[in-house]
Amino acid sequence: EIVLTQSPGTLSLSPGERATLSCRASQSVSSSYLAWYQQKPGQAPRLLIYGTSSRATGIPDRFSGSGSGTDFTLTISRLEPEDFAVYYCQQYGSRGAFGPGTKVDIE
Amino acid sequence: EVHLVESGGGLVQPGGSLRLSCAASGFSFSTYSMNWVRQAPGKGLEWVSYISDSGITIYYADSAKGRFTISRDNAKNSLYLQMNSLRAEDTAVYYCVRAVGAISHFDSWGQGTLVSVSS
Repeated sequence: EIVLTQSPGTLSLSPGERATLSCRASQSVSSSYLAWYQQKPGQAPRLLIYGTSSRATGIPDRFSGSGSGTDFTLTISRLEPEDFAVYYCQQYGSRGAFGPGTKVDIE
Repeated sequence: EVHLVESGGGLVQPGGSLRLSCAASGFSFSTYSMNWVRQAPGKGLEWVSYISDSGITIYYADSAKGRFTISRDNAKNSLYLQMNSLRAEDTAVYYCVRAVGAISHFDSWGQGTLVSVSS
């Protein structure tokens, strides 16, 4: 069973800053099977990135994904006020396991 | 536009049963795999169960195995989750989620239905 860890647990930043979120897998994950989701309070999660680096429909290009093997990254180039949320990575090669999440909040 | 609307949640006593439903619209339901994902209050996301487009292939998380049963009715564009022997730790918002394929990201989520297990 592949276990995902995310770091940091909380990231405190200001609008306009760059956010770098990490997702690490306990064993190698196919790059085709790594996704990122955004969840705001009281809302369902929303797909941001799939296949490590492909943006979902309607996702702005300030969101980008990268990585391979066991280390993956979600980058938000310039934080907008609506980007403050919790972000989850997921590897969907093995029963859709999710990481514990990273909260991006306003500093 | 894809719409997934869950129903059937509520308060149930430990050991009780509940059946969740998900009504799908805006897409060809019978050609998509579906999942249930849950989120305990203040916690992260936990995948619960998967069913293939035809209903033939089914998977469960260990936490659901033997107690939960996923099913679908493609003629009614509906997904179900029968939950038996419910425990306090099953308390969560349950999301109906569409997947693009058998091994695929989850591209559409319902708004969720809350299941509370308490005496």
